[in-house]
Amino acid sequence: GAGVSQSPRYKVAKRGQDVALRCDPISGHVSLFWYQQALGQGPEFLTYFQNEAQLDKSGLPSDRFFAERPEGSVSTLKIQRTQQEDSAVYLCASSLVAPSGDYEQYFGPGTRLTVT
Amino acid sequence: AQSVAQPEDQVNVAEGNPLTVKCTYSVSGNPYLFWYVQYPNRGLQFLLKYITGDNLVKGSYGFEAEFNKSQTSFHLKKPSALVSDSALYFCAVRQAAGNKLTFGGGTRVLVKP
Repeated sequence: GAGVSQSPRYKVAKRGQDVALRCDPISGHVSLFWYQQALGQGPEFLTYFQNEAQLDKSGLPSDRFFAERPEGSVSTLKIQRTQQEDSAVYLCASSLVAPSGDYEQYFGPGTRLTVT
Repeated sequence: AQSVAQPEDQVNVAEGNPLTVKCTYSVSGNPYLFWYVQYPNRGLQFLLKYITGDNLVKGSYGFEAEFNKSQTSFHLKKPSALVSDSALYFCAVRQAAGNKLTFGGGTRVLVKP
């Protein structure tokens, strides 16, 4: 079946521009996650949704970062007034929610954001 | 707080030899542990997980991992490496009652023919 898809795959923004990154999770997956992966590092958690509710946004690095999932399916990560330090790969993941918590996250291919 | 350490930035191994990628973790309560692999310009692919039960878990592509509670480790192993196993490997942990994954810094595996 279809996996997690993300668009665009590559985005170049000039410093100060706003960007919007889209994630289409696997159909039926309740949970959706955003991670930021800087060059040469492991992914770092940004935020988590269960359906349309944003239950954890503790990883968002500043108030320039905003995420939404209004209908509990597609999600958008928005970065306002981009800075060079925002350059990274942004990964989206989705998962089922099992009562036991026994589930893995399935990742999309990521959006590589370069801020010039 | 939870954390993961992957002490080796790179592991080199000859094709056909055993492969081990090390991982240690720190988490409150019972850990849920995961291994993912990342190929160039692609997302993370799930390999295997430890939730409970047998300490030795088997996953995709012939990989396995051993959970050691006393050493807080979850090393990834493959008895006979293939050139196609060359990739970036990430260990991750989350709390049993939590949701977010915490990843290690990754270990690059290079399998030489």
